[in-house]
Amino acid sequence: QKEVEQNSGPLSVPEGAIASLNCTYSDRGSQSFFWYRQYSGKSPELIMFIYSNGDKEDGRFTAQLNKASQYVSLLIRDSQPSDSATYLCAVKARLVFGTGTRLLVSP
Amino acid sequence: DAGITQSPRHKVTETGTPVTLRCHQTENHRYMYWYRQDPGHGLRLIHYSYGVKDTDKGEVSDGYSVSRSKTEDFLLTLESATSSQTSVYFCANRAEGGTEAFFGQGTRLTVV
Repeated sequence: QKEVEQNSGPLSVPEGAIASLNCTYSDRGSQSFFWYRQYSGKSPELIMFIYSNGDKEDGRFTAQLNKASQYVSLLIRDSQPSDSATYLCAVKARLVFGTGTRLLVSP
Repeated sequence: DAGITQSPRHKVTETGTPVTLRCHQTENHRYMYWYRQDPGHGLRLIHYSYGVKDTDKGEVSDGYSVSRSKTEDFLLTLESATSSQTSVYFCANRAEGGTEAFFGQGTRLTVV
C-alpha cells in the first residue's frame, strides 16, 4: 500500500466551478500535510500546509484534514483556467508525495 | 524561495557511466530531499537527509547513492547510469519545523 494515494485524473471542471481534490494516507500516525501545485515543466509550489483536523482556508483554496478517516482534501472555489495544473499531496514526515491529480479547468 | 539550486540543469550521458547531480542551498535548512519525476508517477522520493552525514533511503533508492558532507550540498550519484534512470530530478529542502518545502528548478537527465 502506498503511503499517499491520489487519483491521477484528469479532473475536468468548468470555469467558475468548485474543484475537489482528494488524498488518502496509510500511516495513521501522520500528523501534517502539504498541498503543492505543479505546472507542466515547472517546479512544485506550495499551496497549503495543514496539521489540524478540520478546514483551513486561504483565498480560493480550502484544505480539509480528517485524521480519523485518513484523508486530506483540497477545494478550489471559482476555478480558473490558470488553475489547470497537477496538484500534489504530501505527508510532512519524509516529504512523501502522492502521484498527483491533474486538474483541467475549461473556459 | 530558500536559495536552492541544482546543477547541471540538463545532462545527456551514456549507459554505464557515473553521474553526479548537485543540490546547493544558501540557507542552512536541515532537511534535503532528492526526487525523480516520471509521467504517471508523480514525485518519487529517492533519498533524503536530516543533517550532515545523516541520510536515509526513500521509495526508489536502488541504483542511487547520496552524500551530504556539508549542510549546503546534497549530492545524488548514479554509480552506473541505466536508461531506466532517464528522468527529471528535483531537489528540495525544508527547515526543521518548517511548514514549507522549497524545490530546485529540476535536472533533466537522459541516459542513452
